[in-house]
Amino acid sequence: DGGITQSPKYLFRKEGQNVTLSCEQNLNHDAMYWYRQDPGQGLRLIYYSQIVNDFQKGDIAEGYSVSREKKESFPLTVTSAQKNPTAFYLCASSIAGVSPEQYFGPGTRLTVT
Amino acid sequence: AQRVTQPEKLLSVFKGAPVELKCNYSYSGSPELFWYVQYSRQRLQLLLRHISRESIKGFTADLNKGETSFHLKKPFAQEEDSAMYYCALREIQGAQKLVFGQGTRLTINP
Repeated sequence: DGGITQSPKYLFRKEGQNVTLSCEQNLNHDAMYWYRQDPGQGLRLIYYSQIVNDFQKGDIAEGYSVSREKKESFPLTVTSAQKNPTAFYLCASSIAGVSPEQYFGPGTRLTVT
Repeated sequence: AQRVTQPEKLLSVFKGAPVELKCNYSYSGSPELFWYVQYSRQRLQLLLRHISRESIKGFTADLNKGETSFHLKKPFAQEEDSAMYYCALREIQGAQKLVFGQGTRLTINP
C-alpha cells in the first residue's frame, strides 16, 4: 500500500521536552515538506527538502529541526525552544519537476502541556 | 512577499445553489495556483490546478491575472462538497514550495 505515513496520530508531551514526529513515504518522491496547521491560519511551511541530505527553512522554522538521511524519511523535531508547539502537523511529499502535486500524510496532533 | 488570501473563513449554502470560494493572491512573478480540499476524516488532497484548466467534481477555477484571483466555482452545490478548501500558490521558478491561504470551511445545507 503506497503512500505517506505519519506517526503517531496523537502525541502528548510536557513543556521543555523535545519531541520527534515521524514521516515516511514509499512513493519514491524526492521532495518532502512539513507544515503546521492552526485554525484560521491555514498551513504554514516549517521545513522542506528537495533531495536527500539537504533541506531548507520554511516560513516558521524557529524552534524546529529536521533531517533527511534517507529519501523515504523526513522526521521533524519540535524543540523546547518552540514557543507554541501545540498544533496539528502535516507532512507532504512530491516528485521533482514542474507543477508537482503534493501528497499529504494523515497528520499528527501534538499537545504540549 | 507572496501571499494568498481567502477572505471567507466560513461559507454556507443550500444544496443546489451556486458556490464560489474566493481566493486572491499577491506575487510579483507568474504563479501557479492550486485548490486543495480536506473532507471530514480524510487527508488534504489536490482538487485542481490552474494550468490543467480542468473541471473536477464539477468545480472550476479560472486564474484572473488582472484581478490576481483564482476563485473556485461550482454551479450546483452537493452535500458531499462540504469540506475545508485551501487555495495555494507556487512560484513557477525556484523552490517547489506552496504558500497556502487560511482556508474556507464550506458547508452545504440540505
